[in-house]
Amino acid sequence: GNSVTQMEGPVTLSEEAFLTINCTYTATGYPSLFWYVQYPGEGLQLLLKATKADDKGSNKGFEATYRKETTSFHLEKGSVQVSDSAVYFCAGNLNSGGYQKVTFGTGTKLQVIP
Amino acid sequence: GAGVSQTPSNKVTEKGKYVELRCDPISGHTALYWYRQSLGQGPEFLIYFQGTGAADDSGLPNDRFFAVRPEGSVSTLKIQRTERGDSAVYLCASSRTSGGITDTQYFGPGTRLTVL
Repeated sequence: GNSVTQMEGPVTLSEEAFLTINCTYTATGYPSLFWYVQYPGEGLQLLLKATKADDKGSNKGFEATYRKETTSFHLEKGSVQVSDSAVYFCAGNLNSGGYQKVTFGTGTKLQVIP
Repeated sequence: GAGVSQTPSNKVTEKGKYVELRCDPISGHTALYWYRQSLGQGPEFLIYFQGTGAADDSGLPNDRFFAVRPEGSVSTLKIQRTERGDSAVYLCASSRTSGGITDTQYFGPGTRLTVL
């Protein structure tokens, strides 16, 4: 069935390190893809999105490129900060019904240490 | 309001009891979604409303779960005969339009339900 798989955490990095969180999806069509972030004590927020192949979503220094050939949407940031510590969820609109029935990955906890 | 609000923020109940969880979407948003997030997992889709009607309830786990949105704004998720396995954070999200692929879902802070 349709699903989203992301790398397990937790991920611990030093400040200014490079971040990659891998995400792959399984879908019959061409879904829209998202990265959501959940900061401690806060609700889910949309971080970035891409709606078609080869699109690059970007926000707050984070980037992810929609790769149809590898069915991937890996999240990257060149230099992480302590304030980036959060749980990151890869997600996709795997539904073909025209509305956003979003399927989420299990989340990756990122801890950035000074 | 400024964002999606959910009440209560925390609900503790006993096995077998009935609970109602409320979601107040962003004003003017026509699409509303309920998700359930168990510990250590990502949110799982429960139900989608377009206006007053439930357009997709395929994620509701069984007939103990029911949701309404009678006036196309506030929604209530109702759980009958609660079980310990229902313990989770219940999230509500809304989006401006009919939920087209370019629209953005805005999530509420969630209601943490604990069934003892």
